[in-house]
Amino acid sequence: DTEVTQTPKHLVMGMTNKKSLKCEQHMGHRAMYWYKQKAKKPPELMFVYSYEKLSINESVPSRFSPECPNSSLLNLHLHALQPEDSALYLCASAGGLESSYEQYFGPGTRLTVT
Amino acid sequence: GQSLEQPSEVTAVEGAIVQINCTYQTSGFYGLSWYQQHDGGAPTFLSYNALDGLEETGRFSSFLSRSDSYGYLLLQELQMKDSASYFCAVMGGNNRKLIWGLGTSLAVNP
Repeated sequence: DTEVTQTPKHLVMGMTNKKSLKCEQHMGHRAMYWYKQKAKKPPELMFVYSYEKLSINESVPSRFSPECPNSSLLNLHLHALQPEDSALYLCASAGGLESSYEQYFGPGTRLTVT
Repeated sequence: GQSLEQPSEVTAVEGAIVQINCTYQTSGFYGLSWYQQHDGGAPTFLSYNALDGLEETGRFSSFLSRSDSYGYLLLQELQMKDSASYFCAVMGGNNRKLIWGLGTSLAVNP
């Protein structure tokens, strides 16, 4: 199974809402990633987890809060977002940090902040 | 600083061969990856070169020259479904994160 799943596919939220994005993989991968992608731009790394511990935080605003409950799951909690946070949020996994060159991406969550 | 350069757009016809170049400047270098992304889709891993030379996977090949900080993706026997964005990405630095190029939009015409 080489699939990474993400829910929801689409999300519309107001600036005062709290919501969560979910990501799951069953490939036994030990590295998991959150990316933000705007149209016609490359994915922009937000967070990296390695063996369920936060390894990289790319100076992401605190209104984004990641969580890795276990080796298969990755969440991104959203609170008090701004309209400029509207984007495609991608989750990815890799065998480990040493295999970061080969990442498997989920289909993404299309987020609109109103 | 760290930077990757690749052409923003390439156009070709079905059945042709196209080469997408990527030059990079990074602190620390482990290897060069290539990803494909169709409109509305997620990036898909295509290839990885850690050593100099050519890697072939079906119609796609990828090349790396570490001494020139240069690589390319070669797509042969182009098909309409190859129309997509192609990103080169370098794995580098102490934390081995991927540094992404801005992407090349490939349009394959009949």
